[in-house]
Amino acid sequence: AQKITQTQPGMFVQEKEAVTLDCTYDTSDQSYGLFWYKQPSSGEMIFLIYQGSYDEQNATEGRYSLNFQKARKSANLVISASQLGDSAMYFCGTGGGNKLTFGTGTQLKVEL
Amino acid sequence: DADVTQTPRNRITKTGKRIMLECSQTKGHDRMYWYRQDPGLGLRLIYYSFDVKDINKGEISDGYSVSRQAQAKFSLSLESAIPNQTALYFCATSGNGYTGELFFGEGSRLTVL
Repeated sequence: AQKITQTQPGMFVQEKEAVTLDCTYDTSDQSYGLFWYKQPSSGEMIFLIYQGSYDEQNATEGRYSLNFQKARKSANLVISASQLGDSAMYFCGTGGGNKLTFGTGTQLKVEL
Repeated sequence: DADVTQTPRNRITKTGKRIMLECSQTKGHDRMYWYRQDPGLGLRLIYYSFDVKDINKGEISDGYSVSRQAQAKFSLSLESAIPNQTALYFCATSGNGYTGELFFGEGSRLTVL
């Protein structure tokens, strides 16, 4: 069984500041992946970043990085230098090779 | 053209009607999924299929059925729609479950009156 918990329903950040979106997970899989998706107001789902459970280094993709702490079962998303276009819903998820389970999401609002 | 296409994009129907949401993909992926999105609940898996002969229930399959007509086509049916099935429905595909990268359609917004 898999479970994702995102405890921040909404977040605000000033433009150009960094922001961390929290995600904790629970899984019975020995090998699993953690990932983040962005959903802007237009509704499409955009893949941001992936971290494998056996990867020793934290994943980075441009301004996105995944702060993976395996012992704490956390996979927080860090967005550096926030931009207005980062305003969106963000979903954390996990998968072990089969179905992928998502959290309830965090609504991020970037302000001037 | 989109790699994962859902039809219809929007649909309003009445309680008790049968509804089919269709999904087709040009990515050549074997794995296809149907998710439902509700405010505050995130995305929940309804059904998934790893090939034409493999269909699996997700966490909220009651009231839904699916058909995998071909590698590229995966349809979701609501046999008798009810108001609490009003939601945004996403079809997705993946070529490798270990990367976490799903390729989503644009979504089908269903309203059941």
